[in-house]
Amino acid sequence: QSVLTQPPSASGTPGQRVTISCSGSSSNIGSNYVYWYQQLPGTAPKLLIYRNNQRPSGVPDRFSGSKSGTSASLAISGLRSEDEADYYCAAWDDSPSWVFGGGTKLTVL
Amino acid sequence: EVQLVQSGAEVKKPGESLKISCKGSGYSFTSYWIGWVRQMPGKGLEWMGIIYPGDSDTRYSPSFQGQVTISADKSISTAYLQWSSLKASDTAMYYCARPSAAGKRVLGGWFDPWGQGTLVTVSS
Repeated sequence: QSVLTQPPSASGTPGQRVTISCSGSSSNIGSNYVYWYQQLPGTAPKLLIYRNNQRPSGVPDRFSGSKSGTSASLAISGLRSEDEADYYCAAWDDSPSWVFGGGTKLTVL
Repeated sequence: EVQLVQSGAEVKKPGESLKISCKGSGYSFTSYWIGWVRQMPGKGLEWMGIIYPGDSDTRYSPSFQGQVTISADKSISTAYLQWSSLKASDTAMYYCARPSAAGKRVLGGWFDPWGQGTLVTVSS
């Protein structure tokens, strides 16, 4: 059971906009930044979003993040086949530790 | 280029010991924490623990405390994850990853970069 809660799956057709939610608590998302990682099949996770809504250099602006209270969301617009991957939210928890969501498998139909 | 390179895949029997490695390059190895993350087959990411190579200060997730040992050799810019007696349930991919912020006082932040992963298979 992961500390952060994500839907196990999401899907969309090419060109669509999809969102992935991430729910936490006051000790993690509620008081710290949220991060998102993309894990393509057979590869290591890659940073996608940091500090709730910032994109590292090289990440397309089709990817955006937001946070409100103890929840966060990742939005992907203009969905492309290469976006098919697992997506994980993460945050620092005041316990202290890093915590992750269980991951969302995104399928591009 | 900041890079973490991990040791190769391992196949072990239950009860055996194992030490896997993660070599950092392209940055001051002693100035950043390095963490370990487990991914069991078909499952999500779990933070295991972290070490500050500058003075070997180590912190563990409660779930992994006593189950593994994290260490580092700063002379060769390498962090380690080791088991004294493996179990079948230790079968997983293990990643090392560097938190974003430099300095011992800053814990938190995002992990970037990540190592390529070390697959550990424990089977009789």
